[in-house]
This record gives sequence, structure tokens and C-alpha cells, in this order.
Amino acid sequence: AQSVTQLDSQVPVFEEAPVELRCNYSSSVSVYLFWYVQYPNQGLQLLLKYLSGSTLVKGINGFEAEFNKSQTSFHLRKPSVHISDTAEYFCAVSEKTSGTYKYIFGTGTRLKVLA
Amino acid sequence: ETGVTQSPTHLIKTRGQQVTLRCSSQSGHNTVSWYQQALGQGPQFIFQYYREEENGRGNFPPRFSGLQFPNYSSELNVNALELDDSALYLCASSLRSGRAVDTQYFGPGTRLTVL
Repeated sequence: AQSVTQLDSQVPVFEEAPVELRCNYSSSVSVYLFWYVQYPNQGLQLLLKYLSGSTLVKGINGFEAEFNKSQTSFHLRKPSVHISDTAEYFCAVSEKTSGTYKYIFGTGTRLKVLA
Repeated sequence: ETGVTQSPTHLIKTRGQQVTLRCSSQSGHNTVSWYQQALGQGPQFIFQYYREEENGRGNFPPRFSGLQFPNYSSELNVNALELDDSALYLCASSLRSGRAVDTQYFGPGTRLTVL
């Protein structure tokens, strides 16, 4: 079974500074990876996804992530954060079992952007 | 295009009671997945419905059950509620095409509190 590790439970960063949120997954033949953001008291919003092709994936709100197969990583980056980026970020891998795609989520990283 | 909607937003029940949560899929989607997100944790896969049948289940007991209707909306039923069932319940809809991994789009969730 797949697993996802988000090593950083909290990441504080000053406004306009760059940020990287780390995500590692267990290796598999076919990997489909996602980043979601969850604002307080809300559901999950898709930031970006890697299904195949270019290893650098661009998403919404200026975020991007790089798929690194050799390091089994899919780290999320943003060159300059805003106060409004304060939220919980979840990395997920899609696992196919008997025709069903289910998502395995990490435990999340709380990004706190400081003024 | 209408996104995924869930009702109710919040719910308070007591131990032993039964609860029904509802989800309306995004327009054009034919698959619904349900997740449980305990406080401070990532979402955990409960089950998935496709063509009105359960099509994949996570590590949840049989007192968690569901339905999918011809219009692809869905219900999650939980019997004999326990304190540990207190969580945010998320519904996600997707389009199963058979050609590629599904991308799941999440609703805002239902916050269930069991007293």
C-alpha cells in the first residue's frame, strides 16, 4: 500500500519569503500525486497534480511542485508567499485497487505566513 | 458549473444515534468518494461509489454505509455513533473515464460532533 509523509507539521515563514513544503511517498510503478489546500473550516481545494509528463507542475495561486522519482518526493514551492496563503496543505497519492482510485493523504503541513 | 455541495454544514449527535450526511456531485461527475478527517489529521478514505454500487472501501466498519443515486448524489450513513466518529466528513466527486486516474474535487465538508 502507498503511504505519504509530510515531515513538517508546521512551517512559519515571513510574508514575501519563499517557502517549500516537503512531501515524500512510498515508491510504486505508477504514481499520481496531488497537493490540496484547506483553509480554516473549509474543504480541500486542488492546488496542482502530477499525472505524467513534465516533472515540474504549475498550479494555482503561484504554487508549483517538482516530481522527483529517484528521491520519491513531490515538494511544493512558492517563491513569495502572502498572508492569504496561511492554511493547511495536504499531499496525496492516488492508489488504484481493483479499479478504484482512492487517495492516500499525508498528515498535513500548517503554513503560517507572518507579517 | 456547480461544485460539490454537502449538507448539513454542522451536526451534533449523541452516542448510539444514527446520522445521514448528503453530497451532491459536481456536474458531469459519476463517482463519489467519502473521507473522514479527524482533528489534526489528513483525510482517511471511507469508500467510493460508482454506478450506484460501492466500489472500494477503506478500513472502516460496516456501520459506515452509503448510497449513490441515479443523479450521482450520495449519502453517508453512520449507525451506532461513537465518540471517535467526531470528525469532518468530506465528499469528493470525480469522473471515471477508464483512461486515466480520477482527479477528485472536494466539497466543504460536514462537521459531525458526537457527545
